[in-house]
Amino acid sequence: GAGVSQSPRYKVAKRGQDVALRCDPISGHVSLFWYQQALGQGPEFLTYFQNEAQLDKSGLPSDRFFAERPEGSVSTLKIQRTQQEDSAVYLCASSLEVPRAGHEQYFGPGTRLTVT
Amino acid sequence: AQSVTQPDIHITVSEGASLELRCNYSYGATPYLFWYVQSPGQGLQLLLKYFSGDTLVQGIKGFEAEFKRSQSSFNLRKPSVHWSDAAEYFCAVGAEEYGNKLVFGAGTILRVKS
Repeated sequence: GAGVSQSPRYKVAKRGQDVALRCDPISGHVSLFWYQQALGQGPEFLTYFQNEAQLDKSGLPSDRFFAERPEGSVSTLKIQRTQQEDSAVYLCASSLEVPRAGHEQYFGPGTRLTVT
Repeated sequence: AQSVTQPDIHITVSEGASLELRCNYSYGATPYLFWYVQSPGQGLQLLLKYFSGDTLVQGIKGFEAEFKRSQSSFNLRKPSVHWSDAAEYFCAVGAEEYGNKLVFGAGTILRVKS
């Protein structure tokens, strides 16, 4: 079956531009996560949705970052006024059930954002 | 605060040799533990996971890991490495007490020489 898909796969933005990154989770997956992976580092948690509700946004680095999942399926991560430090791979993951921490998260291929 | 340490940034092993990748964690709760593998340009693929029970867990591609609570470790092993195992490996930890987020280590890049 189809896995988690993300688009675009690559995005180059000039500093100050706004960008929108899309995530299509596995069909029927209740939970959706966004992570940021800087070069040479492990992924870091950004935010979590259960259906359309954003239950945890503690990892969003600034108020320039905004995520939504209005119908409980597709999610968009928006970054306003991009800065060079926003350059990273943005990973989306989904999980089948209302998760406890032990539930497996399935990851998409990521969007590589480069801010010039 | 939760943290995961993977002490080895790079490891090089010969094809057919055994492998052990180290992972140590610091957590204020009973953890759930995962190992993921990431090939260039690819997403993270789950190799194995530990929730409870038997502390030696088997995963895909011939990998296994052992949870040692006394050492706060969850090391990944494989008895005989194949060239296709070359990738980056991430240890991750989660716990119910800290919600649903995973905390990842910085990763270990595995190189396989023929």
